[in-house]
Amino acid sequence: GENVEQHPSTLSVQEGDSAVIKCTYSDSASNYFPWYKQELGKGPQLIIDIRSNVGEKKDQRIAVTLNKTAKHFSLHITETQPEDSAVYFCAASGMGGGADGLTFGKGTHLIIQP
Amino acid sequence: DGGITQSPKYLFRKEGQNVTLSCEQNLNHDAMYWYRQDPGQGLRLIYYSQIVNDFQKGDIAEGYSVSREKKESFPLTVTSAQKNPTAFYLCASSTAVRGRGGANVLTFGAGSRLTVL
Repeated sequence: GENVEQHPSTLSVQEGDSAVIKCTYSDSASNYFPWYKQELGKGPQLIIDIRSNVGEKKDQRIAVTLNKTAKHFSLHITETQPEDSAVYFCAASGMGGGADGLTFGKGTHLIIQP
Repeated sequence: DGGITQSPKYLFRKEGQNVTLSCEQNLNHDAMYWYRQDPGQGLRLIYYSQIVNDFQKGDIAEGYSVSREKKESFPLTVTSAQKNPTAFYLCASSTAVRGRGGANVLTFGAGSRLTVL
């Protein structure tokens, strides 16, 4: 089955700096890669996703890049703000399947220092 | 507003007792899921259901049971057989039309934290 590794487990950056979270996956058949953000005391929320037919996707200060050859994908957050502090999860699955096929990484606790 | 409601938010249980966590959604989603979240761990799938009166085991179903009598509701029972039940439990839903991207997109509830005393 799929195995998703996520690094780092904790990331502390100064407000205004950029943050990068990296994930690797094992199943070359995976073609859908979402990122979820979980704020304290809340459930995770989808913030961005990418499908294997593109190498990069941007949404304002957030971007995701995908390297299918190396089987890794990354979340980039620019101009970080205090509200970016949260736990971020990456995941991977086959796009044609349901969410039961999603395998999640263990999460990255992002801390934005004022 | 459409969403998923989980209750209770906090629950304490004595060892040997069963407890049921509620999950209700008004998103008209066909598929519903239960995940377990432990500190420093990812989200692990307990059970999922793609349609009323049908459900499937996930990766860690032992010690848990579910029912899906209504489209809107997917309660989870943590039984006394679950050896380490203290955790944060998340309910989620999605469309169930496989073959399209939307079937992977999960909407989560706010979670229920279960503590066994």
